[in-house]
Amino acid sequence: EVQLVQSGAEVEKPGESLKISCKASGYSFTDFWIGWVRQMPGKGLEWMGIIYPADSDTRYSPSSRGQVTISADKSISTAYLQWSSLKASDTAMYYCVRMYSSGHRHDYWGQGTQVTVSS
Amino acid sequence: QSVLTQPPSASGTPGQRVTISCSGSSSNIGVNTVNWYQHLPGTAPKLLIYSNNQRPSGVPDRFSGSKSGTSASLAISGLQSEDEADYYCAAWDDSLSGNVFGTGTKVTVL
Repeated sequence: EVQLVQSGAEVEKPGESLKISCKASGYSFTDFWIGWVRQMPGKGLEWMGIIYPADSDTRYSPSSRGQVTISADKSISTAYLQWSSLKASDTAMYYCVRMYSSGHRHDYWGQGTQVTVSS
Repeated sequence: QSVLTQPPSASGTPGQRVTISCSGSSSNIGVNTVNWYQHLPGTAPKLLIYSNNQRPSGVPDRFSGSKSGTSASLAISGLQSEDEADYYCAAWDDSLSGNVFGTGTKVTVL
């Protein structure tokens, strides 16, 4: 059974760094793209980016490029989303997603990680 | 900012048919397939329709999708109370080299 299990909720202050994780199981981690989708409070889904763990090829949305870093550790089948300096506007629910290359569909989703940035 | 446009809301009574439109462009829907996601309150989104009109295992055949040119549609026939959710279309955008989501449509069962 394919599962994406994300790390728990985080409460941080502006300017701090943060790395959240997504542990994949039930499939060959290096055969699929894996990435992140954001939902800010009261807003819709926003695609942030994806990484191909086999070679670390990474794609970012225009709004995410330079704001976050997506990485993966294939030895432990885990993907990460990282911030070097959080802003209040980073407050959101973040979902880990697997992407099936054919049709670029997100066929599996993690349970979500709530990130709250507040002073 | 979303590049796929959906109506903000749609509604119907139980048993009715509801359709949701999704308008894109020649760099996304015009050249790539469309996927639809259902987001129930308090849960993770779920893939509802893929490759324009295919249903994953377990999705009722009340849900159907179609695509024409740079637009797509999701239809829910025999509307049920448990269909009350937010629905999003999505497609790969060749210009952005990434997926783009629609603005989302909230379906209310009256």
